[in-house]
This record gives sequence, structure tokens and C-alpha cells, in this order.
Amino acid sequence: KQEVTQIPAALSVPEGENLVLNCSFTDSAIYNLQWFRQDPGKGLTSLLLIQSSQREQTSGRLNASLDKSSGRSTLYIAASQPGDSATYLCAVYGNNRLAFGKGNQVVVIP
Amino acid sequence: DAGVIQSPRHEVTEMGQEVTLRCKPISGHDYLFWYRQTMMRGLELLIYFNNNVPIDDSGMPEDRFSAKMPNASFSTLKIQPSEPRDSAVYFCASSWDSSEKLFFGSGTQLSVL
Repeated sequence: KQEVTQIPAALSVPEGENLVLNCSFTDSAIYNLQWFRQDPGKGLTSLLLIQSSQREQTSGRLNASLDKSSGRSTLYIAASQPGDSATYLCAVYGNNRLAFGKGNQVVVIP
Repeated sequence: DAGVIQSPRHEVTEMGQEVTLRCKPISGHDYLFWYRQTMMRGLELLIYFNNNVPIDDSGMPEDRFSAKMPNASFSTLKIQPSEPRDSAVYFCASSWDSSEKLFFGSGTQLSVL
């Protein structure tokens, strides 16, 4: 069974600092990996999807990397803003299943 | 498109009552998923449909839970009878393919007293 881990569960950073969020997974036989954002009381919004054949994916200030062999992905948010405060979840797809981590709750301090 | 639409947004009920959650997926999406989110267990897949047919219901906790998809634009998740441990946020999500980008609804916050 695929296990997805995101540590730490919560973190705070000052505005302007770069954010680095880590995701690890136990089974490297994945098809793709998604990073989601969840705001309080809201559903999840997909930010980036990386196919297993890709090393990274970029969208604006967001960059996600994937190292399938070591079972790791990193979400990098440049020059963080208070509006980036949210919970970020990682999910890996394999064996016809999407497995989620529990997320990193991020607070960007103005 | 308005996105995935769920109703109600909040539901408070008493133990033993029947609860019905509703979902309208994004038009053209062939896959529909029901998830449950709690602090302790995170996001759990309950069941998913492909072209209105249930494909994997192994995440449904027990016989008190049932889900239907009578057509491509509507699905329900029913809990009968409800119990306090069912209290959670229930999300519906849809996608073009099970491996593709997933679109979530805003969720239903269920409280069973």
C-alpha cells in the first residue's frame, strides 16, 4: 500500500522567503504526482501535475520536482506572499489509486 | 463551467438519521470520486465511478454507506443510519481520466450529534 508523508505538518515563514515543501512516498512505481492547495473550509485545487517521466513542472512562482527513484517530490514557492497561506497536499497516482499525504499547513507572516 | 457542485454545504443531524449528500460533476468528466476528510486520517477515497458505473468501493466503511450515480451529471452518497463517527468533510471530485488532474467540490461538512 502506498504511503505518502509530508513533514512538517505545519510551518510559518516570513513574507518574501522562499517556501520548500517536501513529500515522500514508499512505492516508486507511480504514474504521476499532483500538488494541491486547500484553503480553510474549501475543496482542493490542483496546482501542478508531474508525470512519472518528468523531472519538474513549473507554473508562475511554483515549481515542483520529482525524483521517482528516491520516492520524493518538492514543491518550491518563490517569494512567498500572505495569500500563499494554505494547506498543501501531495498525491501520488499508481495502481489505479490516488494516495494523499496529510498536507503541510503553511502560514506566511506579513 | 461552474466546477464540481456539492450540496448541502453543511449538514447537522442526529445519530440514527439518514443523510444524503449530493454532487454534480463537471460536464464531460467520465470519473467521479467521493472522499472523506478528517484530521486523524486525512483524505480517504470512499468510492469512484467511471461512466456512471461504480469501479472501486473498497473504501466504503460499512454497509451503512451507499453511493449511486444514476446519470452523468448527478451522484449521491447516503449514510443510513448515521453515527457520530461519520462526522467529517465529504468531498466529491471529478476528472476526465482517473490519472488526470482532479477537480474538487467545496465539500459537505457533516456533523452527527
